[in-house]
Amino acid sequence: ELPLVESGGGLVQPGRSLRLSCAASGFTFDDYALHWVRQAPGKGLDWVSGITWNSGDIAYADSVKGRFTISRDNAKNSLYLQMDSLRIDDTALYYCVKANAHYGGAFDVWGQGTMVTVSS
Amino acid sequence: QLVLTQSPSASASLGASVKLTCTLTSGHSSYAIAWHQQHPEKGPRYLLKLNNDGSHTKGDGIPDRFSGSSSGAERYLTISSLQSEDEADYYCQTWGTGIQAVFGGGTKLTVL
Repeated sequence: ELPLVESGGGLVQPGRSLRLSCAASGFTFDDYALHWVRQAPGKGLDWVSGITWNSGDIAYADSVKGRFTISRDNAKNSLYLQMDSLRIDDTALYYCVKANAHYGGAFDVWGQGTMVTVSS
Repeated sequence: QLVLTQSPSASASLGASVKLTCTLTSGHSSYAIAWHQQHPEKGPRYLLKLNNDGSHTKGDGIPDRFSGSSSGAERYLTISSLQSEDEADYYCQTWGTGIQAVFGGGTKLTVL
């Protein structure tokens, strides 16, 4: 069983919204910070957003601030990314990633990714 | 501003060793980093966490051929006895005092 499984990606028009989910298993979910990382086709890894174990600290990359919202439900072992006002340059494979600490930390578990394509 | 700098490409011969470099911005030379490997069309894989004193902790199943070291603001990943399957992109990643994280631009390693 994979520890992190993303879902919710797809094709969406510019300006529309999409909600990504990440289901976790095999570790104590509420012990760790979680992040979303994306990778545009042919490009490098790009940190999008992170959330601490208790949702006490949340941060976003400047490129998504004000448009994306990260959240988690520790009772459901799930991480979410609400993406509003999507732009063409948000097109990427979105990875759910676990850090190895309550706050910050090395990214020690990666999901398989879910593809988001923004196009008219 | 916390930035990680990597050379875009590197190459080494089969069976040889290669040392990849990740440089932290001035003022952040005490920061730990992590190294990740990504094969074409695959998701990233965590290799190891590397502290500023050179101590490192590897991920599950990572071969002994992979090791880390540090010098000042530079963090290194050394791969010894290179194999064809080591041909991949390698990214360094770090984190600040808050929840923000940063990636380097990645190094494409070619095994000759």
